Amino acid sequence: GENVEQHPSTLSVQEGDSAVIKCTYSDSASNYFPWYKQELGKRPQLIIDIRSNVGEKKDQRIAVTLNKTAKHFSLHITETQPEDSAVYFCAASQGNSGYSTLTFGKGTMLLVSP
Amino acid sequence: KAGVTQTPRYLIKTRGQQVTLSCSPISGHRSVSWYQQTPGQGLQFLFEYFSETQRNKGNFPGRFSGRQFSNSRSEMNVSTLELGDSALYLCASSQDGQGETQYFGPGTRLLVL
Repeated sequence: GENVEQHPSTLSVQEGDSAVIKCTYSDSASNYFPWYKQELGKRPQLIIDIRSNVGEKKDQRIAVTLNKTAKHFSLHITETQPEDSAVYFCAASQGNSGYSTLTFGKGTMLLVSP
Repeated sequence: KAGVTQTPRYLIKTRGQQVTLSCSPISGHRSVSWYQQTPGQGLQFLFEYFSETQRNKGNFPGRFSGRQFSNSRSEMNVSTLELGDSALYLCASSQDGQGETQYFGPGTRLLVL
């Protein structure tokens, strides 16, 4: 089955700095890669996703890049703010295969200090 | 549209008991997936239901089961509870489950004593 590795497990940055979180996946059939943000005591919320036919996607301060050959994808947050502090999860899925199973990384706790 | 809802939000049970959790998906969504979240193991896939049929199952023992009703609402059941079943149980819905965005409910926090 699919295996997703996520690094780092914790990341501390100063407000205004950039943050990068990296994930690798094992199954070359995976073609959908969402990122979720989970604040303390709340549900995971989708912040951005990318499909395998695209190499990069941006949404304001957040961007995701995908390297299919190397089987890794990364989340980039620029100009970080204290409200970006949360746990971020990457996931991989074989969309269009008749079912939807998200395999998650173990999560990265991002702390943005003012 | 209303979001994904889960009931109950909190539950305390003792070892050996059984529990049933409920999930109501976003209106129009037919796929419901269940995940277990623990500090040590992160988010792990339990099973997915689509049109009242279990379409995929994760690597959990048979004590974990589920079902889906004709209105797409889903329940999961855990029998013979163990201490290690203490976790946040999340359900997520999507339209047809094929590589689409999954929207999570708030979760049910289960504590087994």
